[in-house]
Amino acid sequence: QTVVTQEPSLTVSPGGTVTLTCASSTGAVTSGYYPNWFQQKPGQAPRPLIYSTSNKHSWTPARFSGSLLGGKAALTLSGVQPEDEAEYHCLLYYGGTQVFGGGTKLTVL
Amino acid sequence: EVQMVESGGGLVKPGESLRLSCAASGFTFSSYSMKWVRQAPGKGLEWVSSISTDSSFINYADSVKGRFTISRDNAKNSLYLQMNSLRAEDTAVYFCARYSGVAKSDYWGQGILVTVSS
Repeated sequence: QTVVTQEPSLTVSPGGTVTLTCASSTGAVTSGYYPNWFQQKPGQAPRPLIYSTSNKHSWTPARFSGSLLGGKAALTLSGVQPEDEAEYHCLLYYGGTQVFGGGTKLTVL
Repeated sequence: EVQMVESGGGLVKPGESLRLSCAASGFTFSSYSMKWVRQAPGKGLEWVSSISTDSSFINYADSVKGRFTISRDNAKNSLYLQMNSLRAEDTAVYFCARYSGVAKSDYWGQGILVTVSS
């Protein structure tokens, strides 16, 4: 069974920079896994932020960026805002199936 | 405006069945692949199933394979999830989502709660 691993929680100061990562139990994450990132706030549906590693949706703020880093998918937030406090989920595609990570709870403090 | 509204959730006993619906509007439903994703209380997201525009390609997570069936009716702009032999671990909020490209989902419904308990 494929497992996708994210940091359970991270804390960042307002205005700071933080990087969330997403690892695959099958090995290094490549662009072929089409990494996606979602933001979710309590009681809300997930909001897509990034698709195919680094592509942004029209509504994705410029401070969010996606990349591959050290064999993992990564989501970097630069100039963090208080409203960025949320759960962040990564998603990797494995052919016909797809697996979400466990999510990272980002606290802005 | 793109909208997707899930319905059909509720409380059922283990072993029972339930059919979820996702009513789509504001876009040409027949042109988009769709999927179901669920989230157990206090847990992360779990992909459940995906279906192509003409229902020719369908995939399921191992956890639901053989019990759940995804389908769509393009004439009714609707996506469905037939859930049989429900278990306590199927308790979750179920979201429908639209694919707008390869491995790219954009719009998601608000979700519907399914509770499986005796």
